[in-house]
This record gives sequence, structure tokens and C-alpha cells, in this order.
Amino acid sequence: AQKVTQAQTEISVVEKEDVTLDCVYETRDTTYYLFWYKQPPSGELVFLIRRNSFDEQNEISGRYSWNFQKSTSSFNFTITASQVVDSAVYFCALISNSGYALNFGKGTSLLVTP
Amino acid sequence: ETGVTQTPRHLVMGMTNKKSLKCEQHLGHNAMYWYKQSAKKPLELMFVYSLEERVENNSVPSRFSPECPNSSHLFLHLHTLQPEDSALYLCASSQARQANGYTFGSGTRLTVV
Repeated sequence: AQKVTQAQTEISVVEKEDVTLDCVYETRDTTYYLFWYKQPPSGELVFLIRRNSFDEQNEISGRYSWNFQKSTSSFNFTITASQVVDSAVYFCALISNSGYALNFGKGTSLLVTP
Repeated sequence: ETGVTQTPRHLVMGMTNKKSLKCEQHLGHNAMYWYKQSAKKPLELMFVYSLEERVENNSVPSRFSPECPNSSHLFLHLHTLQPEDSALYLCASSQARQANGYTFGSGTRLTVV
């Protein structure tokens, strides 16, 4: 069975604060892929990042960074110096070689206020 | 332009109506998916079509009927829905059994009255 848990339902921060969104996953497969998606109010899911299970290097893209730790089955997402435009729902997702489609967490709603 | 187009964007239907949601992709993908997103719930996989063949049906009620006439088009036929079926229905496409390249449409916001 595969499962993705995003324990934080809602987070509210003030602009320029750093914020970390947590993601914990479960899978019995050794080959799998983890994703983060952003869903703005328009509804479309916007792809942010994909990591495979063999690559534990952390990644930084502008103000975004991701921390993948297999030892704790976590794939956390940090936004540095948050901006109002970062307000959205963020989803963590998992797919393994034995699965047909992405399995999503419940999402974390991030509100960044001026 | 995401490459995956869903129509209509919004739909209001009565419980006795029959309607269809349409999804079209122009990315050359050979797998397409329907997801349901309800308030306070994770995205739920409804149907998977790979190479135009349905490979997974996650115990979805028969009042939802998918159709995939070719690799570029996916439909979700709706009939005698319930108010609890009100949700955002998202279509996605990818290369079959490949973990990259998932592209989502903007969704159809369905309200059942």
C-alpha cells in the first residue's frame, strides 16, 4: 500500500517569513517517485518537483528547496522569504513502479499575508 | 496553456440530468486519468486509461462512466448524480507507467443540485 501524509492542514505566515511544508510517505517498493504540486485558486495543479528514490540530494530552485530523507520517509518543502503569490494549496504525491497513478496527500493550504 | 484542456470549467446539474465532462491532451501522452477533489479530502483517483484501455477503476459508483475513444480524448459521463458528487474533477495525462510528465488540466467544478 502507498500512503502520503501531510499533517499540516493550514499554515498562515506573514510575507518574508520562511515556511516548511511537511510530507511523510509510505511504500513497500524500493523504486518510487515523489512530487510536489501547487494548486492556486484557479484549480490547476502546477508541477514543482519530482525526485526518485535513489537520489537523496536536496534541491534548491530559487526560493524553493526540498529535503528528501529516506531514513525518515520524508520529503519536506521549504519556501524562503514567502510572498503573497505563494498562497495556494500544496500537494505531495507518490508513485511507485508497482502503481498506475499518483497518490496524493490531503494537501496543505498556505496563506501568506502582507 | 497546460496542454490538457478540460471542458466545461463549471457545471451545475440536477440529480436527474445526464452530462459529460471532456478532457483533451495535445502532448502525445498515452495514459489519461480522472481524479476527484472534494473539499477537505485528498485527490482521489477514479479511473486510469493506459493505451486506451481501462486499467484501474477505484470502486467508483456506476453513475460515473468513463470513455476513452483515443489516446487524446477522455470523457466522464455523469447520470443520476448525488449532491455529494459535487467536487472538482481533474483530468491528467502522462506517458504510461512513467513517473514523470504528469500534466493536469484546470478541472471542471461540478455542482449537483
